[in-house]
Amino acid sequence: DVKVTQSSRYLVKRTGEKVFLECVQDMDHENMFWYRQDPGLGLRLIYFSYDVKMKEKGDIPEGYSVSREKKERFSLILESASTNQTSMYLCASSVPGQGNYEQYFGPGTRLTVT
Amino acid sequence: GENVEQHPSTLSVQEGDSAVIKCTYSDSASNYFPWYKQELGKGPQLIIDIRSNVGEKKDQRIAVTLNKTAKHFSLHITETQPEDSAVYFCAASPNGAGTALIFGKGTTLSVSS
Repeated sequence: DVKVTQSSRYLVKRTGEKVFLECVQDMDHENMFWYRQDPGLGLRLIYFSYDVKMKEKGDIPEGYSVSREKKERFSLILESASTNQTSMYLCASSVPGQGNYEQYFGPGTRLTVT
Repeated sequence: GENVEQHPSTLSVQEGDSAVIKCTYSDSASNYFPWYKQELGKGPQLIIDIRSNVGEKKDQRIAVTLNKTAKHFSLHITETQPEDSAVYFCAASPNGAGTALIFGKGTTLSVSS
């Protein structure tokens, strides 16, 4: 079974702090994604990566950055956390091509910024 | 960029009834349309998907239909059961299957027994 793990289920940070959200997948997937989920807004794409050291902006990258130094790990960084970044953050991974296009999601990290 | 609209936002049905959720997309280049189910406290999980060269796909009680001309696709759940209660998301892939997805805002389905 594909497993995508996220470093924390719940996180509380203060405004202005630098926050790291870690995501690790164990299936050697090339593609990794970060989404945020807010009530009534669905899942919105923040950043994604199709290879090590590669990153692409999604629909809402402002205030975030990412790092992918190793294939299995994709980190989301909030450079200076703000209250409007309080949200559920979901990481996903997938394999390009091969007829299986499923994105496998982690359980999510609920971040509260106070 | 791609925009995916999903309706309704909430849907309540009696056990055994059918449920239909509809989505529209804007980018004619999108060629892959998955549906995800999210249960409480979990990440979304793929339940069915369809590619643009197929009009309909069925998997037991779940079916998806795609109308490329009208740019809309729908999820059909027959003989609903209480365990079908969850949030359902449709999505589209404007840059090809396997690449980044643009999701709809979700439908909360409640099945009462």
